[in-house]
This record gives sequence, C-alpha cells and structure tokens, in this order.
Amino acid sequence: EMRLVESGGGLVKPGGSLRLSCAASGFIFSSYNMGWVRQAPGKGLVWLSSITTRSTSSLYYADSVKGRFTISRDDAKRTLYLQMSDLRVEDTAVYYCARLSVWRPFDIWGQGTMVTVSS
Amino acid sequence: DIQMTQSPSSVSASVGDRVTITCRASQDISSWLAWYQQKSGEAPKLLIYVASNLHSGVPSRFSGTRSGTEFTLTITNLQPEDFATYYCQQTDSFPRTFGGGTKVEVK
Repeated sequence: EMRLVESGGGLVKPGGSLRLSCAASGFIFSSYNMGWVRQAPGKGLVWLSSITTRSTSSLYYADSVKGRFTISRDDAKRTLYLQMSDLRVEDTAVYYCARLSVWRPFDIWGQGTMVTVSS
Repeated sequence: DIQMTQSPSSVSASVGDRVTITCRASQDISSWLAWYQQKSGEAPKLLIYVASNLHSGVPSRFSGTRSGTEFTLTITNLQPEDFATYYCQQTDSFPRTFGGGTKVEVK
C-alpha cells in the first residue's frame, strides 16, 4: 500500500521553528516529485512548496513562505521534510505532504499534521 | 501567478441529482487542471487530472470538461458519499494554485 505519514506538528510560539517530516512507503520515493499543502482551520487548500527528484533538483515555494520555509528530501530515508522558521499566527494549519503524479496533480496524500502558532 | 476562481462556493443537492462545479483560470493553462474531493476531517483525494481523466478507482459518475480557461466538474446521480468539498488546482505552472472550494451539501 502506498502511504505517506506526516509527523512533527505541534504548538509553537510566534517566531519559532518547527520541522515537519513525511515518511513514504509502498512506492519508489526517489522517483517522484513531492510537495506540501496546508489548510488553515475552516479554510481551503493552499499549495506551499514542491521539490523535484534528485536528478532535476528544483525547489518551488509559495510567496507566503519563501525565505521562511525550506523543503528537502532524503531519498535514503524515504522522507520529505519541511523546515519552518519565523512562524506566524497565520501559519496555523493542517500541513499535508503529497506525491506528485506523472501527470502533475497530487495523487497520494498523507493524513496531515497540525501546526499551531500561538503565544 | 495564475488565479483559480471556483463557483459556486456551495451547492445544496439531493441524492440522485446532477451537480456542476466550475473553475476558471486567469490565463491559459491548457488542460493542466485537477479536481479533488475532501471530506470533513480527511485528506483530499484526487478525482480527475488533465481536465478530464478519471483517477484510478474514481466512480464514472464523476466527469470533467474543459472549454478554454473554464473547467467543469460534473457529478451525475449524486450519491450519499459524494457530499464533500471539491477543489480545483491548476497544474500548469508554479505556484500550483487551488480554487477556493465548493461545498456540496444536503438539500
């Protein structure tokens, strides 16, 4: 079974940092582009960042997180990461990792991890 | 950035109804559009990719069409499990923007 499992969410103060992880199983992780999407409470989906495979090695970010968030991957550990710094109250959301299919949409999603930024 | 305008924001329907949701791109994205379904408390699920291709395992009552920069998701013969929120996403270029969502509610 193809699966993504996020971890690392929690409560953090404004200005703080957090690293999310996304463990992949059931497919050849190194062959797929990956990404992060978030959803604030009661709101819609927002694309945050994507990373291509190591062969092409490109990173993409939404303007709202550029310079504060860093996406990375460890193919040996089959894990995707999102390092988040200078966190703001408006970053409070459920964060999903997802696999990008060959045809470009996100075809496999994790269950999400909640990040709450509050003093 | 490409803006995706989705309408309506909500629709009330009954089991057996036909429901149509529209998504308009602010510029040409060819057929690079995906549709997702999200039920309360769950992660989104891919329904349709490249405007009209049904993802594996998705029932054939779901269909997608494209007319220029306007895209439509149609659910025919609405089933109880279809009450959910639906999102479009352009997959043409970065940032990969989503539409605002359409909640399909029980009438």
